[in-house]
Amino acid sequence: EVQLVESGGGLVQPGGSLRLSCAASGFTFSSYWMHWVRQAPGKGLVWVSRINSDGSSTSYADSVKGRFTISRDNAKNTLYLQMNSLRAEDTAVYYCARDRVPYYYDSLDVWGQGTTVTVSS
Amino acid sequence: QSALTQPPSASGSPGQSVTISCTGTSSDVGGYNYVSWYQQHPGKAPKLMIYEVSKRPSGVPDRFSGSKSGNTASLTVSGLQAEDEADYYCSSYAGSNNFYVFGTGTKVTVL
Repeated sequence: EVQLVESGGGLVQPGGSLRLSCAASGFTFSSYWMHWVRQAPGKGLVWVSRINSDGSSTSYADSVKGRFTISRDNAKNTLYLQMNSLRAEDTAVYYCARDRVPYYYDSLDVWGQGTTVTVSS
Repeated sequence: QSALTQPPSASGSPGQSVTISCTGTSSDVGGYNYVSWYQQHPGKAPKLMIYEVSKRPSGVPDRFSGSKSGNTASLTVSGLQAEDEADYYCSSYAGSNNFYVFGTGTKVTVL
């Protein structure tokens, strides 16, 4: 079964750091571009970041650029999101998601269940 | 990058059709055929319903259809069923920097 399982969310103070993980199974992880998408409470989906299949290319939303770092370990079938200098507005459910087409972008066809990040003092 | 514009809500009776619009710009919806639609039930992860403007993934009922004209994409749900009640989000590729932009979301209610 194709599956993505996020972990690492929690409560953190403003200015703090957190690292999210996304464990992939049931498909050839190293062939797919991967993304992080977040959803603030009661709000819509917002794309956060993406990484290509071998980790050599990344992109970030302006709102997180310079604070968040996406990475992957293809040997461990795991995607990461390092979040630094966290702000209250980063509070959200964070989803990892897979691009539908190997080695390319198209749409997000597999999603994890999400992990909740709360930034508050 | 601004979110794509969707109506906040739409509704229809069982068996009827509902169409949701998604308006962007020439830098996203109008510039690429990488428009997708996602269904999200409360407390659940989004589910891909339409990709590349009008294609349905395996397992998605053919009651769901997509189209695009200029900078506006549309999702039509025909033969509404109770389980179609959910939030729907459009998305478009928006270039190598902003990558994917999502719509503001539409809550579909089955009356």
